[in-house]
Amino acid sequence: EVSLVESGGGLAQPGGSLRLSCTVSGLIFNDHNMNWVRQAPGKGLEWLSYITPSGSTIFYADSVKGRFTISRDSLKNTLYLQMNRLRAEDTAIYYCASESRLVGRNSHPFFCMDVWGKGTPVTVSS
Amino acid sequence: EIVLTQSPATLSVSPGERATLSCRASETLINYLAWYQKKPGQAPRLLIYDVSIRATGIPARFSGSGSGTDFTLTISSLEPEDFAVYYCVQRGNWPPGYFFGQGTKLEIK
Repeated sequence: EVSLVESGGGLAQPGGSLRLSCTVSGLIFNDHNMNWVRQAPGKGLEWLSYITPSGSTIFYADSVKGRFTISRDSLKNTLYLQMNRLRAEDTAIYYCASESRLVGRNSHPFFCMDVWGKGTPVTVSS
Repeated sequence: EIVLTQSPATLSVSPGERATLSCRASETLINYLAWYQKKPGQAPRLLIYDVSIRATGIPARFSGSGSGTDFTLTISSLEPEDFAVYYCVQRGNWPPGYFFGQGTKLEIK
C-alpha cells in the first residue's frame, strides 16, 4: 500500500525555522516528482514547491520563494521542506504529494498529484 | 498566471440529488485540469483528471466535462460521504506548478 507520512510540524516563532519530512513507502520514490501543498485555516489549497527525482529541477510558489527549500533523499525515501523566516501567514496544514504520469485522453500523458499524505500542522505564533 | 474561479462558493443539495460544480479558467487551458475532494482532517483525494477521466476507485456517479475555459464536475446522485470541498486544479506545463481554484463547499441541504 502506498503511504506518504509527513512529520516535523509544530509551533514556531515568527522569523523561526522548521523542517518538514515526508516519508514515502509503497511506491518507487525515484520514479516520482514530489510536491508540497498547504492549506491555511479556513482557506483553500495552495501549491508550494516541486522537485524532480534527481533534484535537478525545483520550483517554488512566489509566496515561499527565498524562504523555503525543498529537497529529497532517495536512500531514505524522504522528501523535505526546510522553512526559514517563518511568518504568521505560513500557519497551515502542510501536505506532501507524489506526482504520477497518468494516461490521459488520446493516450497522452497527464501529470498530476495522485497520492497525498495526511498532513502535518504548522503554527507560527509568538 | 492562470486563475481558476469556482462557482458557486457553497452549494446546498439534498442526498440523492444531482450536484453541478463549475470551474472557469482565465484563459484557455492547454494542459487540462483535475478535480480533488477535500474533507476536514483528510488528505485531498484525486477524483477526475484530464477533464473527464475518473481516477482509480472513484465511483461512476462522479463525472467531469468541459473544454476551453469552462469545466464542470457533476455528481449524479449524492451520497452522504460526498459532502466536502471540491477543488479544480491545473498543472502548468513550464514551470510545472499547480494552480488551484478557491474551492466549492458542497453541503447537505
